[in-house]
Amino acid sequence: EDKVVQSPLSLVVHEGDTVTLNCSYEVTNFRSLLWYKQEKKAPTFLFMLTSSGIEKKSGRLSSILDKKELFSILNITATQTGDSAVYLCAVPPGRYGNKLVFGAGTILRVKS
Amino acid sequence: DTGVSQDPRHKITKRGQNVTFRCDPISEHNRLYWYRQTLGQGPEFLTYFQNEAQLEKSRLLSDRFSAERPKGSFSTLEIQRTEQGDSAMYLCASSFARQDTLFPYEQYFGPGTRLTVT
Repeated sequence: EDKVVQSPLSLVVHEGDTVTLNCSYEVTNFRSLLWYKQEKKAPTFLFMLTSSGIEKKSGRLSSILDKKELFSILNITATQTGDSAVYLCAVPPGRYGNKLVFGAGTILRVKS
Repeated sequence: DTGVSQDPRHKITKRGQNVTFRCDPISEHNRLYWYRQTLGQGPEFLTYFQNEAQLEKSRLLSDRFSAERPKGSFSTLEIQRTEQGDSAMYLCASSFARQDTLFPYEQYFGPGTRLTVT
């Protein structure tokens, strides 16, 4: 069965801290891994990773994929209160990737 | 706004009633997905459409659930004889995918419809 596991389940940090969120997966025919940020509404797309070792970066957020060890990390540097959200990791299993299998998410709370 | 839209945003209904939700995808997207999300969990796949064809349904989608995308544009999700266990956020997403390639693509989500069954 396709599975995506995220850790930690929740995290509380202070503004300015750096955080690392983890996502491990076991899926058939892996092609990509996606990160989303969810506040009190729709998940918003952050990154899609397809190749090992190539970092994707957007401002203070970055992510990297390890296809050998079957995991990805999402880093957030110099955290701000606006980074408080649930961060979701998802993988489209199967040859055609017609759906996303999500992890349960990591709840991040940034205190001022 | 050219994002995915959903209507209504909130729905409170009594057990046993039927409800219908609507999703309008991003206009050039040919794929449309429905997910359900409960508290503390990630979204779970329900079904998806390629244009107007419903190509996959999850085992989560009992016979009380039906989805349509009649003209390959907007979609509706109907739940008949609602039960308290149907209370959840129902998310719609859309993407563009070429059939002749296995290139991966991202899905864009709407704001969701929060259903409460009392």
